[in-house]
Amino acid sequence: GAVVSQHPSRVICKSGTSVKIECRSLDFQATTMFWYRQFPKQSLMLMATSNEGSKATYEQGVEKDKFLINHASLTLSTLTVTSAHPEDSSFYICSARGGLGRITDTQYFGPGTRLTVL
Amino acid sequence: DQQVKQNSPSLSVQEGRISILNCDYTNSMFDYFLWYKKYPAEGPTFLISISSIKDKNEDGRFTVFLNKSAKHLSLHIVPSQPGDSAVYFCAASTDSWGKLQFGAGTQVVVTP
Repeated sequence: GAVVSQHPSRVICKSGTSVKIECRSLDFQATTMFWYRQFPKQSLMLMATSNEGSKATYEQGVEKDKFLINHASLTLSTLTVTSAHPEDSSFYICSARGGLGRITDTQYFGPGTRLTVL
Repeated sequence: DQQVKQNSPSLSVQEGRISILNCDYTNSMFDYFLWYKKYPAEGPTFLISISSIKDKNEDGRFTVFLNKSAKHLSLHIVPSQPGDSAVYFCAASTDSWGKLQFGAGTQVVVTP
């Protein structure tokens, strides 16, 4: 099956610092990657959609200058939380989808990254 | 505006019995539906999907039923096993970008 990895799995940082999270598709080329955020006991909220080589599309209410997304290759996308604050503490999950032009391609999720901002 | 709804936050079922999880949606443009299973502090794992041209899809112990007129789908797990204890998310997609709308999830507990 399709495998998606995330690194790091857990990060603790001080308020005001920036944190980079990597998402990799290990055995397939991901034309599209998605970044989600999950608060405790809540659903996954889509933050942004990124396609390789183009700018990410952010969902309403998500600050693009705060959550920088780069999708430099077909197997790697990064999310950088800039000037992190305690309210950014959350579980961040990426997903990857392969196959050009196929609406029904399944999204495969990474294991998630727990970010704690002190 | 929650377009995908899972109205049961939790479900307890005895091992060996059937688990039935329900999901309702409001957007008639959704054409692809998926179920994911999630353990704490892990990413969701894809279970099964169904497109709007079908009303049933089966994969092993998992069967998904789709009732388009009622905008309702359900996931049946039979027989339920202790390892099935997890949170189950229903998701739906409507566009070529594959953006998924998730329900709030249902916590399933399978008891011995």
